Amino acid sequence: EVQLVESGGGLVQPGGSLRLSCAASGFPFSSYWMSWVRQAPGKGLEWVANIKEDGSLKYYMDSVKGRFTISRDNAKNSLYLQMDSLRGEDAAMYYCARDTYGPAPTAAADYWGPGTLVTVSS
Amino acid sequence: IVLTQSPATLSLSPGGRATLSCRASQSVSNDYLAWYQQKPGQAPRLLIYGASNRATGIPDRFSGSGSGTDFTLTISRLEPEDFAVYYCQQYGRSPRTFGQGTKVEIK
Repeated sequence: EVQLVESGGGLVQPGGSLRLSCAASGFPFSSYWMSWVRQAPGKGLEWVANIKEDGSLKYYMDSVKGRFTISRDNAKNSLYLQMDSLRGEDAAMYYCARDTYGPAPTAAADYWGPGTLVTVSS
Repeated sequence: IVLTQSPATLSLSPGGRATLSCRASQSVSNDYLAWYQQKPGQAPRLLIYGASNRATGIPDRFSGSGSGTDFTLTISRLEPEDFAVYYCQQYGRSPRTFGQGTKVEIK
């Protein structure tokens, strides 16, 4: 059974940092592009970043470039999102998702984790 | 690519037929259009990819159609568990983008 479980969310002050993690199981993690997608409270979905199977290519939405870093450790079946210089508008539920259908780097994601909540407030 | 979903809210009775629309600001290449279902407090669930292909385990009462800039998700007979928010997403051009969602609520 495919499972994705995020962790690392919490309350952080504006300008602060957080590192999100996603533990994957039930599929060959190193064979899939992986994404982070976020959803602000009561709002729609917004793709944040994704990373190639071997970690050699990374893509970001414009508003997080230079502040967020996506990475992965295939030996640990884990995906990460380092978030620096956090702003109020970054507050959201962050989902880890498996990119399966489509022409990389874009894709439709067929499995999603339950999410981890990031709150940015002083 | 901007995706516009309509209506914002659809009020229907169980057993009814739901027709959700997603219109793109530009043609979606290769009809790379997906539909997701999201229930309160849960992650999105992939229903349809490639405009008309049902994802694994999705009941056949869900169907997708359309091409170019106009796409439709149809739920043929609404079950109680189908009342949720539905999002379309294009992945034909980077960055992938989502519509703002259509809420299907019980009438």
